[in-house]
Amino acid sequence: DTAVSQTPKYLVTQMGNDKSIKCEQNLGHDTMYWYKQDSKKFLKIMFSYNNKELIINETVPNRFSPKSPDKAHLNLHINSLELGDSAVYFCASSPGASGGYEQYFGPGTRLTVT
Amino acid sequence: KNEVEQSPQNLTAQEGEFITINCSYSVGISALHWLQQHPGGGIVSLFMLSSGKKKHGRLIATINIQEKHSSLHITASHPRDSAVYICAARRGGSEKLVFGKGTKLTVNP
Repeated sequence: DTAVSQTPKYLVTQMGNDKSIKCEQNLGHDTMYWYKQDSKKFLKIMFSYNNKELIINETVPNRFSPKSPDKAHLNLHINSLELGDSAVYFCASSPGASGGYEQYFGPGTRLTVT
Repeated sequence: KNEVEQSPQNLTAQEGEFITINCSYSVGISALHWLQQHPGGGIVSLFMLSSGKKKHGRLIATINIQEKHSSLHITASHPRDSAVYICAARRGGSEKLVFGKGTKLTVNP
């Protein structure tokens, strides 16, 4: 009964491929996020959805496309993968988008592009 | 310069020592988060605070809004506290968290 789950945990793929990472939360939260952690362990926000609506879209290549079929799921699709996309991607959720809410993180997906 | 700066970058302590990790930020914030990233990679939220002080077990977080500074203290440190501690500021009027680069803490027995 993991609160925020991601699949897969590890993903190794070649340059040019298209891949998806899935995220699900069973906390009943309204807001979900995707973060990227680079090789220097620095976390950066990529996207945020509130009730299936995109509310944060940082400057990321348009090869990255989030999709939220419902408020419990936020998937990340990446087209034409590049070496620089290798990182750990974390999904997170919070009860709401406004005010101060704690965020609950998934276990991360380590993407390696060869 | 990053909007959120942490110090020190690395910290090694002996079991039982009192630990302090500092976080300074340059933006107006609505809240400040302290996160712990375990050696296995998982991230856990420790505190979220917008004023004053919070305590949970051996962990204490404080924030001084006027000075734009927050500290995370660990009393009676233990090897299981070894992790990376990350400070993140939520910009006022935004839902975006801006992260510090983390402090790697190693507590030796």
